[in-house]
Amino acid sequence: AAGVIQSPRHLIKEKRETATLKCYPIPRHDTVYWYQQGPGQDPQFLISFYEKMQSDKGSIPDRFSAQQFSDYHSELNMSSLELGDSALYFCASSFSGRSHYEQYFGPGTRLTVT
Amino acid sequence: AQRVTQPEKLLSVFKGAPVELKCNYSYSGSPELFWYVQYSRQRLQLLLRHISRESIKGFTADLNKGETSFHLKKPFAQEEDSAMYYCALEDGATNKLIFGTGTLLAVQP
Repeated sequence: AAGVIQSPRHLIKEKRETATLKCYPIPRHDTVYWYQQGPGQDPQFLISFYEKMQSDKGSIPDRFSAQQFSDYHSELNMSSLELGDSALYFCASSFSGRSHYEQYFGPGTRLTVT
Repeated sequence: AQRVTQPEKLLSVFKGAPVELKCNYSYSGSPELFWYVQYSRQRLQLLLRHISRESIKGFTADLNKGETSFHLKKPFAQEEDSAMYYCALEDGATNKLIFGTGTLLAVQP
């Protein structure tokens, strides 16, 4: 079965550069979640989208923005990168039509800021 | 405040020994709780959720509202169980997941 796809898998950027992470949810899933997992840390919720509208916002810096497109894929845009942004960024998707919204995770994008 | 606590960063057991990964939560309301597993170099995978009351790969977890716990148990550990285990709480309003800090289970031969 198709799973959540994230690209790129690895990304190396320098400080003050920008980065764009992409997430392609499981077909027919209408909700996308972004999580950030720093080294040795638990995943922290950043932002989520339902039907292309932002549904919730967590501890996401103002330097970051995200959106969900008409085909339900989502992009996380990160500007003025800082060393502390180095982390594994997970995307998860779910289908709101189920009674319980089980989230399926992508493999993550490992961002390294040097 | 919504919070998930996993007190053990590392749990090392021998093959065939029983395993219990502890998870406590803080949540006002009726919680939806999950266990996710992350094998080496793989994505987070849902292991089980309390509403389904099922056993996956020999693991079970019972929600104890009195103790606000959702401990993960397996009677006989296998080497292939070695992985990072995260307990997670679902926010009922937004469906976002609140993760614990994870427990690394190492099963020795």
